[in-house]
Amino acid sequence: QQQVKQSPQSLIVQKGGISIINCAYENTAFDYFPWYQQFPGKGPALLIAIRPDVSEKKEGRFTISFNKSAKQFSLHIMDSQPGDSATYFCAASIAGTASKLTFGTGTRLQVTL
Amino acid sequence: GAVVSQHPSRVICKSGTSVKIECRSLDFQATTMFWYRQFPKQSLMLMATSNEGSKATYEQGVEKDKFLINHASLTLSTLTVTSAHPEDSSFYICSAPKTGGREKLFFGSGTQLSVL
Repeated sequence: QQQVKQSPQSLIVQKGGISIINCAYENTAFDYFPWYQQFPGKGPALLIAIRPDVSEKKEGRFTISFNKSAKQFSLHIMDSQPGDSATYFCAASIAGTASKLTFGTGTRLQVTL
Repeated sequence: GAVVSQHPSRVICKSGTSVKIECRSLDFQATTMFWYRQFPKQSLMLMATSNEGSKATYEQGVEKDKFLINHASLTLSTLTVTSAHPEDSSFYICSAPKTGGREKLFFGSGTQLSVL
């Protein structure tokens, strides 16, 4: 299976709060897991990515947690800001390349004041 | 950083006409580029893989004759929507991987196609 399941579909978080988005996959051949941020009318932009040899990766306010045994990974946005309001997509690819990605269904995040 | 340029950003055309969308890698060469389609509030669906110097590889269910792909050089891929119809209206996005170190995929800014 090539599916990547993402939840929630939408999320409202207050400014300063933590936004958490979850993804699950079936294909154990996936070995690259990026997260993309997309603003309306724009293409996705790479936010952060992880490979399964680590359980967590942090870049600034963004953290990926990876659970290989459960085949799940999540994005945590700390101290969420209104400028973080966007659609977030998890993705996965096979064979160690970022090229052919399978995307999750997306999460629309709204950070309120 | 790497940049992928996509043009035009928006196009409105009449039903039955053809529309060409360009995707360029600006500071790196890309032997492979990818074309995605995205409907409002939905995920990106891979349409095809564009290969420099050879035929494109289409995903299941994508009409090859409807969506013509040409990868004429190491920095340019084009998607032509032939005989466009209203159901072809969508957001089309290209992407290109930059190799060297950890490979990353960079996306264009997308093209909103509206077929009247």
